Amino acid sequence: NAGVTQTPKFQVLKTGQSMTLQCAQDMNHEYMSWYRQDPGMGLRLIHYSVGAGITDQGEVPNGYNVSRSTTEDFPLRLLSAAPSQTSVYFCASSSRINEQFFGPGTRLTVL
Amino acid sequence: RKEVEQDPGPFNVPEGATVAFNCTYSNSASQSFFWYRQDCRKEPKLLMSVYSSGNEDGRFTAQLNRASQYISLLIRDSKLSDSATYLCVVNTNSGYSTLTFGKGTMLLVSP
Repeated sequence: NAGVTQTPKFQVLKTGQSMTLQCAQDMNHEYMSWYRQDPGMGLRLIHYSVGAGITDQGEVPNGYNVSRSTTEDFPLRLLSAAPSQTSVYFCASSSRINEQFFGPGTRLTVL
Repeated sequence: RKEVEQDPGPFNVPEGATVAFNCTYSNSASQSFFWYRQDCRKEPKLLMSVYSSGNEDGRFTAQLNRASQYISLLIRDSKLSDSATYLCVVNTNSGYSTLTFGKGTMLLVSP
């Protein structure tokens, strides 16, 4: 049981580039979400999904897209990277919203 | 405006000490309360839920004071391995968008 996996672990982008952060879970959880964590700030919700085919925006959705075509996968797309998107990104899944299992994170730097 | 406030610390304590963290929340309608633990450069992990009557898990005790709108985490007999950041998490409803993470309190346990 791998839990929640994220790739890549580290990424450096130039301003304007696009990329997809991958997230997968093998726990058959219905709920999945993406957070970003910045120094001095709490985790902030970007997008979330309550099941395959259903997604919704969180607190800071601008500049990001998501899709949930399967229960297992929940990729996060950066459309046109900006330095303000430099952050650590965590994907999480859960069978109950409050008890979330987080992936190991992706450390993204946008130059 | 989301308000979950924690003392950022760091709290520096010797092994064997007892340490307590508080977390205040502003929304009196908050329903669910949790403590997560985050090791340096790792993902957050659920430590324990906080129940109205208070609850204990080994050396860890969590309490909720609804009247004063704060939750607390008490760690007895601190171990070096307890060194981490402790995140207070509050949900004002049952949804994803209402789940708020505090910025965390850092604990450093020294020999």
